Amino acid sequence: EVQLVESGGGLIQPGGSLRLSCAASGFTISGDFMSWVRQAPGKGLEWISVIYKDDSAYYADSVKGRFTISRDNSKNTLYLDMKSLRVEDTAVYYCVRDLATVLDYWGPGSLVTVAS
Amino acid sequence: EIVVTQSPATLSVSPGERAILSCRTSHSISTNIAWYQQRPGQAPRLLIHRASTRATGIPARFSGSGSGTEFTLTISSLQSEDFAVYYCQQYNRRFTFGPGTKVDFK
Repeated sequence: EVQLVESGGGLIQPGGSLRLSCAASGFTISGDFMSWVRQAPGKGLEWISVIYKDDSAYYADSVKGRFTISRDNSKNTLYLDMKSLRVEDTAVYYCVRDLATVLDYWGPGSLVTVAS
Repeated sequence: EIVVTQSPATLSVSPGERAILSCRTSHSISTNIAWYQQRPGQAPRLLIHRASTRATGIPARFSGSGSGTEFTLTISSLQSEDFAVYYCQQYNRRFTFGPGTKVDFK
């Protein structure tokens, strides 16, 4: 059974840094694309980043230069390093298996709150 | 960037009734559309991909149609667990989501 579980969220001050982790089971993340999608409180869904099988990565303009996606294949874990956090980055962050055309498995999400 | 819109914003339906949700894209995307259901407090769940293919385990009361710029999700007979927010998402070039349609109890 495919499972994704995010961790690392919490309250952080503006300008701070945070690392989200996503532990995967039931499949091997190195064999798939993996994405992060976020959802601000009461708002819709926003795709923010993808990492491909060759470790190339792409980002939404809203996070480019501030967020970095990576993975540790030995731990079957995906990461999202976030720096220079802004109030508008407050959201639930979802780790998602990305089949290039659809996002088929989602973790339960990790809440990041950026506030002073 | 391809803009995705959905209508209506809210759809009030009684259990057992049919619900029809619409999604439009600013450019033609063939059938590169997916639909997701999000219940309160839960992560989104994939319902439909390639405009009309149900994901694994999705009941037959959910169906999708359309191509080009106009798409529809139909729930043939609403069950209590179907009251949720539904998002469409295009994947012609990276992912963009519509703003969602909330299906609530009439």
